[in-house]
Amino acid sequence: GAGVSQTPSNKVTEKGKYVELRCDPISGHTALYWYRQSLGQGPEFLIYFQGTGAADDSGLPNDRFFAVRPEGSVSTLKIQRTERGDSAVYLCASATEGTLQDGYTFGSGTRLTVV
Amino acid sequence: AQSVTQLDSQVPVFEEAPVELRCNYSSSVSVYLFWYVQYPNQGLQLLLKYLSGSTLVKGINGFEAEFNKSQTSFHLRKPSVHISDTAEYFCAVSDENDDYKLSFGAGTTVTVRA
Repeated sequence: GAGVSQTPSNKVTEKGKYVELRCDPISGHTALYWYRQSLGQGPEFLIYFQGTGAADDSGLPNDRFFAVRPEGSVSTLKIQRTERGDSAVYLCASATEGTLQDGYTFGSGTRLTVV
Repeated sequence: AQSVTQLDSQVPVFEEAPVELRCNYSSSVSVYLFWYVQYPNQGLQLLLKYLSGSTLVKGINGFEAEFNKSQTSFHLRKPSVHISDTAEYFCAVSDENDDYKLSFGAGTTVTVRA
């Protein structure tokens, strides 16, 4: 597609529920990133994929968070047993290569609200 | 590890006036520096980046930034703002050890008034 697509744009869920957030990167982009932006803060790195594999998942806050990219294109961020503190905007970005010298393109994000 | 400090959380400015957004970083290695803009309900858009070379970097929409290594700063400027520049601006840094991920500042909200 023309840009990075994230669905849904908004998600409200009850505490304790499971959620999946989807990211459709720009076609041909091998690198994919997830960031989390809490209210009043800048985005924080969660995980980086190069192809199908997670090259760096050091930003995932705990084992309730997991992300996959099985075919090297679409990625899904999965959150189990959601907590109110998980409420944030989850941003996805993609790039042709892994390094920032090429720049990467962000999606509009998924706003997750845990009630 | 690196960190980014944006010194102003809110900057009100009149249309056609100049604006400067301040950004300082800390890092023990060589860095790459970026400014992103986020318009309401939109994704982050790259304004400009410094990778190497000239310390004065020009970006889109008339913005420019200057890398100052001795002061560890990367301040963003625009000589004359428009109403459409109302947005949130984020400074971000990456370093040569982890050149695929960004550390962001908390952001500066710019509100341009007529």
